[in-house]
Parts: sequence; structure tokens; C-alpha cells
Amino acid sequence: QKEVEQNSGPLSVPEGAIASLNCTYSDRGSQSFFWYRQYSGKSPELIMSIYSNGDKEDGRFTAQLNKASQYVSLLIRDSQPSDSATYLCAVSGGNTDKLIFGTGTRLQVFP
Amino acid sequence: EPEVTQTPSHQVTQMGQEVILRCVPISNHLYFYWYRQILGQKVEFLVSFYNNEISEKSEIFDDQFSVERPDGSNFTLKIRSTKLEDSAMYFCASSGQGAYYGYTFGSGTRLTVV
Repeated sequence: QKEVEQNSGPLSVPEGAIASLNCTYSDRGSQSFFWYRQYSGKSPELIMSIYSNGDKEDGRFTAQLNKASQYVSLLIRDSQPSDSATYLCAVSGGNTDKLIFGTGTRLQVFP
Repeated sequence: EPEVTQTPSHQVTQMGQEVILRCVPISNHLYFYWYRQILGQKVEFLVSFYNNEISEKSEIFDDQFSVERPDGSNFTLKIRSTKLEDSAMYFCASSGQGAYYGYTFGSGTRLTVV
């Protein structure tokens, strides 16, 4: 069974701080890695994708991938209250066309 | 920005009834998906659809479920005889190039079976 694991949280950070979200996956054949943001009662929204080892930055977001450790992370710099949401890690690859999601980490940014 | 559109946003149905959930994918996308999310649980894959046929389905997608692309724009999920445990948010998604580049999700249909 291919799994994606995340700490469910909540992760509470003060406004302006860096939020660090982590994810591990079980399938070494995974090729593409995503972070989705999901507000309560809403659909997942793609915020970052990463395909190779290392860091990928997009504005306040940085995704990090370490395939040897089967580990993906998301850093959110200068966290804002509007970043409060559940962050879903999703993985795809091998011979499948589906995304496998983790349970998500709930982030709370307090003023 | 192009959107995936789902209707209805909320549907209440009696157990045993048939429901059809509708989706309009992004117009130039070729890959279509249905996922569901039971309240408080993971987003779960149901089925993927490409070139007018199912390319992959999960163990959840049993004989009670079917998908169809009846015309050039709509993509539907039918549940023939709903059960209480089918109550969930159902998300349609589409992609131009498959899962490798991620997908765009629709806003979802909340299905409540009573």
C-alpha cells in the first residue's frame, strides 16, 4: 500500500514566522510531489510542485525534496493569518496516473 | 484563470437513490479524475479517465459507480444506489498532461445521503 504520511497538527505559528510542514512517502518510484492548500469546506488548491532533489522557491513558499530519505517539506516564510489552512502533501509516479494524498497538516497562524 | 466547474454544490439524496454529479473540466485538458473526501479524512482517488475510457480506478470505485463524458465538455460521476457511507465531498479534477504536473480541482459537490 503506497502511503503518504503527514503530522495532522495543528501547527501554530505567530504571524511573520516561518512555518515548516513535512511529509514522507513510501513509494520510491514516486516522481512528482505536490503541496496543496485546502481551506475548510473548499477544494484543494495547488501551491507548489517539485520533481528533483533540492529546493524550489516561489514567493514566500519553498518546497524541499529529498528522494533518498523519501521526504518532502514546505516552508512558508512571513506566515500570514490568511495562510491558516490544511496543507496536503500529494505524490504521484511510477506506473500510475493518480495522486496519493496525505491526511494534511492544519496550520494556524495567529496575529 | 481557467476553472473546473462542478454542479450541484450540495446534493441531498435518500439512500438507494441514484445521483449524478457533473463536472466541466478545463477546455483543453485531456485527463479527468474524480476524488472524494469523507469529512475529516484524506482526499481519496476514485477514477481517472483519458481518451474516452477509464485508465485507472480504485477499489472504492465498484459497480455502483460509473463515469461518462457524454459530450465534449461534461464529465459525470454516477452513483447508482447510494449508501450512507457515500456521503462525502466529491471533487472533479482535470489536467493537460496527466498527474505528473498536478491537477486543477473543481470546487466540489457535497453529497449527503440520508
